[in-house]
Amino acid sequence: KNQVEQSPQSLIILEGKNCTLQCNYTVSPFSNLRWYKQDTGRGPVSLTIMTFSENTKSNGRYTATLDADTKQSSLHITASQLSDSASYICVVSPGGSQGNLIFGKGTKLSVKP
Amino acid sequence: EAGVAQSPRYKIIEKRQSVAFWCNPISGHATLYWYQQILGQGPKLLIQFQNNGVVDDSQLPKDRFSAERLKGVDSTLKIQPAKLEDSAVYLCASSLKAVNQPQHFGDGTRLSIL
Repeated sequence: KNQVEQSPQSLIILEGKNCTLQCNYTVSPFSNLRWYKQDTGRGPVSLTIMTFSENTKSNGRYTATLDADTKQSSLHITASQLSDSASYICVVSPGGSQGNLIFGKGTKLSVKP
Repeated sequence: EAGVAQSPRYKIIEKRQSVAFWCNPISGHATLYWYQQILGQGPKLLIQFQNNGVVDDSQLPKDRFSAERLKGVDSTLKIQPAKLEDSAVYLCASSLKAVNQPQHFGDGTRLSIL
């Protein structure tokens, strides 16, 4: 069964600290992996999208890594800001898909002053 | 560029009533998606359009949900009759094409069923 599991479920950090969110997936075949940020009451916003041949991609203070062999991805946030408080959703696109994405349940990050 | 527009932002109805949501995708985006997001979960795809044709509606409860995308631009999603379990946020997203492209989401319509 194609699944995307994220950990931790929630995380609280102090402003300025770094953090890493984890994503494990069992989707096969695999086309690409995406990380989205979803602020409360808003739609998800794309942070990164990686194909199976890419193992790292950055977007400002966000860096995503992908290990297609172990089917693991991580999202590293550097020098966190209060505005980073949101849910971070890992999304996997199966190979040959017309766009039918498989969403994780997200990690809820709270950045405190 | 203007983002994906959705309306209304909030809707409260009683069970067994009908409701409709509207979505205007980003200009030029051929692919349009409707998702249902229940609190604390990731979005679940309901239906995907490529231009004005349906690509995937396998998870759409067709006995009560319907969607259309006339002229391949705007789209509407309807629920009739609504059930309590339909309480959720309904997200519309669009992308230039279906594969390996980021999906751009609207802010959704939050539906509450009383």
